[in-house]
Amino acid sequence: QVQLQESGPGLVKPSQTLSLTCTVSGGSISSGGYYWSWIRQHPGKGLEWIGYIYYSGSTYYNPSLKSRVTISVDTSKNQFSLKLSSVTAADTAVYYCARLRIVATMRWFDPWGQGTLVTVSS
Amino acid sequence: QPVLTQPPSSSASPGESARLTCTLPSDINVGSYNIYWYQQKPGSPPRYLLYYYSDSDKGQGSGVPSRFSGSKDASANTGILLISGLQSEDEADYYCMIWPSNAYVVFGGGTKLTVL
Repeated sequence: QVQLQESGPGLVKPSQTLSLTCTVSGGSISSGGYYWSWIRQHPGKGLEWIGYIYYSGSTYYNPSLKSRVTISVDTSKNQFSLKLSSVTAADTAVYYCARLRIVATMRWFDPWGQGTLVTVSS
Repeated sequence: QPVLTQPPSSSASPGESARLTCTLPSDINVGSYNIYWYQQKPGSPPRYLLYYYSDSDKGQGSGVPSRFSGSKDASANTGILLISGLQSEDEADYYCMIWPSNAYVVFGGGTKLTVL
């Protein structure tokens, strides 16, 4: 079955850009009907959707983060990536990648990667 | 952006049922939305459980036991996750989710379920 795995630096300095990659295995990122998403969870807190991308490159972002977020896809590597610019301590969180399945009016995230903790600190 | 309200905590004994709620803001009618539910255990990513729109429009996640079910209380503008026959392994955080628009999704703050 499809599995997702996040990778990237666990420590980022304030004002710099956070960069993460999600590698998809067990299936093609170019499969129709699936979108590829980033979601984060602040320590001890709830879930916050960041955005998602289709293999064609169409993107959708959380309005509260839109000015700082870029999600891209590399179909040749079966990967998609997240860049979050001008980070502050408030961006410290566990970052998850997840597959978004859309069928008619139904939209759900499944499966999820294991998550990677990114700490913003000097 | 809408805020989905979930009680921070809930508890029930093994074998009993747990009723977890997700209240939508008053300007969003629960009857118009699919309510999605996720389970998260410590140190693990969320797991998709199910969605509920109506009794004739609902779906279970892959491998999710039928003792997890959804419903709505229109009078309270609330989505409900019902877990029957509680087991110790059901102790987890539970999150609800809706799509206020096709391009925007919001999660509730989560409920920590303790199985006594």
